Amino acid sequence: GAGVSQSPSNKVTEKGKDVELRCDPISGHTALYWYRQSLGQGLEFLIYFQGNSAPDKSGLPSDRFSAERTGGSVSTLTIQRTQQEDSAVYLCASSPGIMNTEAFFGQGTRLTVV
Amino acid sequence: AQTVTQSQPEMSVQEAETVTLSCTYDTSESDYYLFWYKQPPSRQMILVIRQEAYKQQNATENRFSVNFQKAAKSFSLKISDSQLGDAAMYFCAYTGSARQLTFGSGTQLTVLP
Repeated sequence: GAGVSQSPSNKVTEKGKDVELRCDPISGHTALYWYRQSLGQGLEFLIYFQGNSAPDKSGLPSDRFSAERTGGSVSTLTIQRTQQEDSAVYLCASSPGIMNTEAFFGQGTRLTVV
Repeated sequence: AQTVTQSQPEMSVQEAETVTLSCTYDTSESDYYLFWYKQPPSRQMILVIRQEAYKQQNATENRFSVNFQKAAKSFSLKISDSQLGDAAMYFCAYTGSARQLTFGSGTQLTVLP
């Protein structure tokens, strides 16, 4: 595809369940970001992958959150034992990894924990 | 660590008028890039305009222009001839040597008919 693809677009889960959110970046993009956006709020940085470097996990809010990027392409964000405060839109973005280039965003996954 | 501050959570403008959204940032780097992104209700983030720190000339893209004051670490966005379709959340963002995007908290812009 031409853009960043995220799946699912919407996810409703019960409190305590684990969820996996997927991001397919633009082919060839070395940088990949995950952000969390609560209703009407700004972007909360979660994690950043750049090429083969160790990811910057400094934004992950707790050890229930983890992310991986396989083969430098697809990324999965996993939230274990979901809580109601995890409800938000999770946005993924990718870029060529060069400073002056923009990041391209997916449409996001809206996660609702009930 | 770099920080980006948007001090206006909400702004409104009359259709066809001009509005300016504020952004300040903090960095010790001399080479970096600044961006304004727009997020309409569809949630799709769209790049509006970018500015290279080493360029003194302010970037412009049609009705959108910036006022980049490097010494003051200020990067405001001016929207001229505002249109209903400009209504969105606007985010200021910074990227430097770490190549990581840092976003401000956003400004919700309402365009009044």
